[in-house]
Amino acid sequence: SAVISQKPSRDICQRGTSLTIQCQVDSQVTMMFWYRQQPGQSLTLIATANQGSEATYESGFVIDKFPISRPNLTFSTLTVSNMSPEDSSIYLCSVDRASGTYNEQFFGPGTRLTVL
Amino acid sequence: AQSVAQPEDQVNVAEGNPLTVKCTYSVSGNPYLFWYVQYPNRGLQFLLKYITGDNLVKGSYGFEAEFNKSQTSFHLKKPSALVSDSALYFCAVRETGGFKTIFGAGTRLFVKA
Repeated sequence: SAVISQKPSRDICQRGTSLTIQCQVDSQVTMMFWYRQQPGQSLTLIATANQGSEATYESGFVIDKFPISRPNLTFSTLTVSNMSPEDSSIYLCSVDRASGTYNEQFFGPGTRLTVL
Repeated sequence: AQSVAQPEDQVNVAEGNPLTVKCTYSVSGNPYLFWYVQYPNRGLQFLLKYITGDNLVKGSYGFEAEFNKSQTSFHLKKPSALVSDSALYFCAVRETGGFKTIFGAGTRLFVKA
């Protein structure tokens, strides 16, 4: 299994500010993923982050709003920029790790963000 | 494009009764299928997965799921529900060789004592 930690675990922020969420993995991984889970809803993939290249964003998500860094194989950050109440969600970091012929996916504990 | 459908927003079961949480999927090619559970104010926990082989997959906490290729379904089951099973359950799918996991909308399970 993979041990994934996220900071902060939760935060309450004011409209118009930005928050950077950190994700640390206990070993090197190629692919890291950022998901959003809005209140009472499912997980939506925001972007895929590979080390050494720009993140790939899913439809509906843009780099200006959700800039991502991936400086090495164990760490990534997601910034939620110019926040509005609609950004209130749980943000989850996830990684793939090879398990035989299959890549198993592990999730961090999440960052619960409330925007006032 | 791959997709997952969980047709029930909520499932209510009495403790001790069997439970089923439904999931259907759509992928081009062979799927990898997963069930995750999320308890209140806790992270996402892996329950079980189907990659290949036996259509009946056994997972954590006494849960199992049956892969049915002809019906493109992967329903989650448990023979005897516990109150502690009450949580939000997500079905997810990934295409073979792919790296994106797509999640269903989730089904909230309530088990009454």
